[in-house]
Amino acid sequence: KNEVEQSPQNLTAQEGEFITINCSYSVGISALHWLQQHPGGGIVSLFMLSSGKKKHGRLIATINIQEKHSSLHITASHPRDSAVYICAVIGVRGNQFYFGTGTSLTVIP
Amino acid sequence: DAGVTQSPTHLIKTRGQHVTLRCSPISGHKSVSWYQQVLGQGPQFIFQYYEKEERGRGNFPDRFSARQFPNYSSELNVNALLLGDSALYLCASSWDTYTGEQYFGPGTRLTVT
Repeated sequence: KNEVEQSPQNLTAQEGEFITINCSYSVGISALHWLQQHPGGGIVSLFMLSSGKKKHGRLIATINIQEKHSSLHITASHPRDSAVYICAVIGVRGNQFYFGTGTSLTVIP
Repeated sequence: DAGVTQSPTHLIKTRGQHVTLRCSPISGHKSVSWYQQVLGQGPQFIFQYYEKEERGRGNFPDRFSARQFPNYSSELNVNALLLGDSALYLCASSWDTYTGEQYFGPGTRLTVT
């Protein structure tokens, strides 16, 4: 069983739709990352959070430590948001990293 | 400031050979982590180094080793390559091990034939 589970695995949306990607984890963590990976491999860190909520532009990330769950929301989705979104958690000692398998998002114009 | 750099970008090796991958962190970052990403899967954690010491290790065989140099750059070495080692190898740097946001390099695409 993976330490980090993401859903859905694949997601297709129409431009302008509100999108939610979910992440559940089973280990104790010191922080959680949401990453974006475009074709070709480059990974960009979108958020690092350990509690509450963060917002950057059209992206919002929330985390519930008690429920071991995080969500990434994209408002007013755009075709350039098409990418793989990966949830990753850092173990409590800060020296172990666990990744979800990613959610492949396609936004259609 | 330059981001995280990795070399080479692509590499083709034969089974049984050895490979060395290199990573230069963002200036000022003291922690480097290595990840393996097989096509179609999420990354898997291999190693974390901080201040030239190994601070974390994932579930990889002893054929995988790494080190960090005084200038905080790092090398990942893989011996006795197997076909299953074909993957994108990602390096990420951060200020420290606990609170540092990870900055990823572009990766090295290794193909083992």
